[in-house]
Amino acid sequence: DGGITQSPKYLFRKEGQNVTLSCEQNLNHDAMYWYRQDPGQGLRLIYYSQIVNDFQKGDIAEGYSVSREKKESFPLTVTSAQKNPTAFYLCASSPLWEANEKLFFGSGTQLSVL
Amino acid sequence: AQSVAQPEDQVNVAEGNPLTVKCTYSVSGNPYLFWYVQYPNRGLQFLLKYITGDNLVKGSYGFEAEFNKSQTSFHLKKPSALVSDSALYFCALRAPNFNKFYFGSGTKLNVKP
Repeated sequence: DGGITQSPKYLFRKEGQNVTLSCEQNLNHDAMYWYRQDPGQGLRLIYYSQIVNDFQKGDIAEGYSVSREKKESFPLTVTSAQKNPTAFYLCASSPLWEANEKLFFGSGTQLSVL
Repeated sequence: AQSVAQPEDQVNVAEGNPLTVKCTYSVSGNPYLFWYVQYPNRGLQFLLKYITGDNLVKGSYGFEAEFNKSQTSFHLKKPSALVSDSALYFCALRAPNFNKFYFGSGTKLNVKP
């Protein structure tokens, strides 16, 4: 899926546990994004980052955390504070200064609660 | 404020018939509009985009979209639907000078043999 690798494909979380979803891109994109998709619903923005060591909250950031220590990597941690984490998580990237450029998506991680 | 609306949760069409998936948008300034397709448990795949120029945009897999500024619409079309076109379709907007993408709620396309 366009140079973005998400892992694992499936992830299970126990109650009270933090879990981290990996996202790596080799497209040299500055901007990276995390979206949450619930069954039959659209995409909701969790966090996004435009530059290394900087990121902004999206529409549903509560219960999630991110880091951007390298340009290629934008991991998402689903904390125990997120009470309803079961969803499909999508990572995406895009060139920052090209407004007519599309988003490139990873293949997604399905997170379920045990 | 920027927003995208897909008024139909589901569209049903017979194979071989033309299909239309609707999208309307709201934006301050000129819009950059996109269509994506999603197959089950997969990421979104890019179909086409409108930046400027011709109002009819051609994309992947025989899809095209018509941009209508007066109606603020960007409907996805295909002259002859295939069963393999059955998937979830998303319209998206990237407003100029913003680095966020706004997605519609998605339309499930069912093409029946």
